[in-house]
Amino acid sequence: DQQVKQNSPSLSVQEGRISILNCDYTNSMFDYFLWYKKYPAEGPTFLISISSIKDKNEDGRFTVFLNKSAKHLSLHIVPSQPGDSAVYFCAAKRGNSNSGYALNFGKGTSLLVTP
Amino acid sequence: EAQVTQNPRYLITVTGKKLTVTCSQNMNHEYMSWYRQDPGLGLRQIYYSMNVEVTDKGDVPEGYKVSRKEKRNFPLILESPSPNQTSLYFCASSPLNTGELFFGEGSRLTVL
Repeated sequence: DQQVKQNSPSLSVQEGRISILNCDYTNSMFDYFLWYKKYPAEGPTFLISISSIKDKNEDGRFTVFLNKSAKHLSLHIVPSQPGDSAVYFCAAKRGNSNSGYALNFGKGTSLLVTP
Repeated sequence: EAQVTQNPRYLITVTGKKLTVTCSQNMNHEYMSWYRQDPGLGLRQIYYSMNVEVTDKGDVPEGYKVSRKEKRNFPLILESPSPNQTSLYFCASSPLNTGELFFGEGSRLTVL
């Protein structure tokens, strides 16, 4: 049962425009959400995160928005650059350091930024 | 340099031949985890460890074992590999409770 869903397998955006990657989740126990970026032949790298008590977190060109009532988060990249072309994974954490915790990942969205 | 190191990076083996994929991190992280990546399925957690001698199952633990005898090492053991364990495996570590994982470069395993 996929608890974290990325329904768009791929996205193509022109350089300089905004990229919006979407993620939906089903488990209301998730308390922390993260985005990872993955280039071919490399491991994923952490990009940006947001706590469930916030609705927005910004880091340079990257902003993550969280809508808890809709169980939806999105990653905005502005402006998009060709080097942003990669697979983006949405992840959600449940549990804590006392009880143990796990990260659930979505299937990923492949972003292509064209010049 | 802070890193997570996995070995081997590539391996072709045959059904039933026990193998171990090693994972080591040099960041003194408490949390370590193994994932497998398959086409169309994304990253799925196999096992994780909160600290030395503390391990727990993820979403797809069948056919795998792990151990955490030292803080830096978290080997993944396939006692009797089968073709459905052909996959790309990632080890990752993080400070406790952040979820901000540092991933290794991956180990591509083929079981014939």
